[in-house]
Amino acid sequence: GQSLEQPSEVTAVEGAIVQINCTYQTSGFYGLSWYQQHDGGAPTFLSYNGLDGLEETGRFSSFLSRSDSYGYLLLQELQMKDSASYFCAVSSNQAGTALIFGKGTTLSVSS
Amino acid sequence: GAVVSQHPSRVICKSGTSVKIECRSLDFQATTMFWYRQFPKQSLMLMATSNEGSKATYEQGVEKDKFLINHASLTLSTLTVTSAHPEDSSFYICSAPRSESGREQYFGPGTRLTVT
Repeated sequence: GQSLEQPSEVTAVEGAIVQINCTYQTSGFYGLSWYQQHDGGAPTFLSYNGLDGLEETGRFSSFLSRSDSYGYLLLQELQMKDSASYFCAVSSNQAGTALIFGKGTTLSVSS
Repeated sequence: GAVVSQHPSRVICKSGTSVKIECRSLDFQATTMFWYRQFPKQSLMLMATSNEGSKATYEQGVEKDKFLINHASLTLSTLTVTSAHPEDSSFYICSAPRSESGREQYFGPGTRLTVT
């Protein structure tokens, strides 16, 4: 079977740092991606890890440990606009295109 | 701006009718597109892979005769929900990989289908 586990909700204040963890168990693994989705909107790509280690993109960083089947998304200097749902997704085919999504983490940022 | 569009954004239909949803890549060609379904406050579930020039590949449990997919051109894929029932009401989203690596997916804005 395929499963990705991530916390359902996280709350934080502006300026804080938040880490959203994702553990996965999938029949195929070709990379871990993170997507952001605001209510009623389209998911937007944040980050991708194909190899172990840390990827940094501005305020967002993502980490992968393939041996632990684990990754995380780190959000720094939180802003109110970061309130959204965050999904980890495993690429289940070699092309990296077919995505299996986690259930999503709702992040609420307050002032 | 948006690189993947969907039409319509919202549709209400009666039970038993069919509904077609279009997904277009706006400034790039996509030999492969993906169709997802999302229930409120839940995750995106991959339904099928739409392949230009060949048959779609459906995920386990998705009825291919109910959810017809046609990849008509390098910029257009359509999903037709046939003989719709209220349980088909959902948010349908398409995506397309923009780069050759395919690792970054561009998602359409989604189509809210309500079957009455």
